[in-house]
Amino acid sequence: SQQGEEDPQALSIQEGENATMNCSYKTSINNLQWYRQNSGRGLVHLILIRSNEREKHSGRLRVTLDTSKKSSSLLITASRAADTASYFCATVQAPGGATNKLIFGTGTLLAVQP
Amino acid sequence: SQTIHQWPATLVQPVGSPLSLECTVEGTSNPNLYWYRQAAGRGLQLLFYSVGIGQISSEVPQNLSASRPQDRQFILSSKKLLLSDSGFYLCAWSVLGYGLTNTEAFFGQGTRLTVV
Repeated sequence: SQQGEEDPQALSIQEGENATMNCSYKTSINNLQWYRQNSGRGLVHLILIRSNEREKHSGRLRVTLDTSKKSSSLLITASRAADTASYFCATVQAPGGATNKLIFGTGTLLAVQP
Repeated sequence: SQTIHQWPATLVQPVGSPLSLECTVEGTSNPNLYWYRQAAGRGLQLLFYSVGIGQISSEVPQNLSASRPQDRQFILSSKKLLLSDSGFYLCAWSVLGYGLTNTEAFFGQGTRLTVV
């Protein structure tokens, strides 16, 4: 079953603008991760934020986590045409243990127009 | 360095035929292994995951099965394919990190399966 729901489902912006994607989840988590998928390819890990963290940065990426609202956001600043892809959030549910699973959301399709 | 191999890249199979998709990981030991399926324009559905040899957990009752005959080998199978088995199949691996929770997952390039 899906754990996360991304919002919006699709987003179209101009190059240079910022893109914000949101993710909501249902259960308590150990960590939340964001991935990127180019069309027809495998997923690539972007950033991981633990349940005790509120914000994390990596280059042009900024991720926030609000565990009280069970939500996260991914901000891509100064977007480029090469950022065009689908973006997914994924959660590791708590309690974890050796059987913890990585559950993905439904994804946001980002199109950056040159 | 760690790598993951998944093959074939594309596959067209008739209804009722068997299926075997293979995934192998190099450069790491005792990984957690996953099979996901992705319908067109949709998110990833977790099908199976494995924390060790011979240990398989099924997430969704279906026409598919998985096996892990070796530490770094994960196989997705079906005895008789259905039209609804069409999709994009992704293999992934991860290891346990801080607090014995999953860290990032590494994905293969996927297999596009079309059942006709």
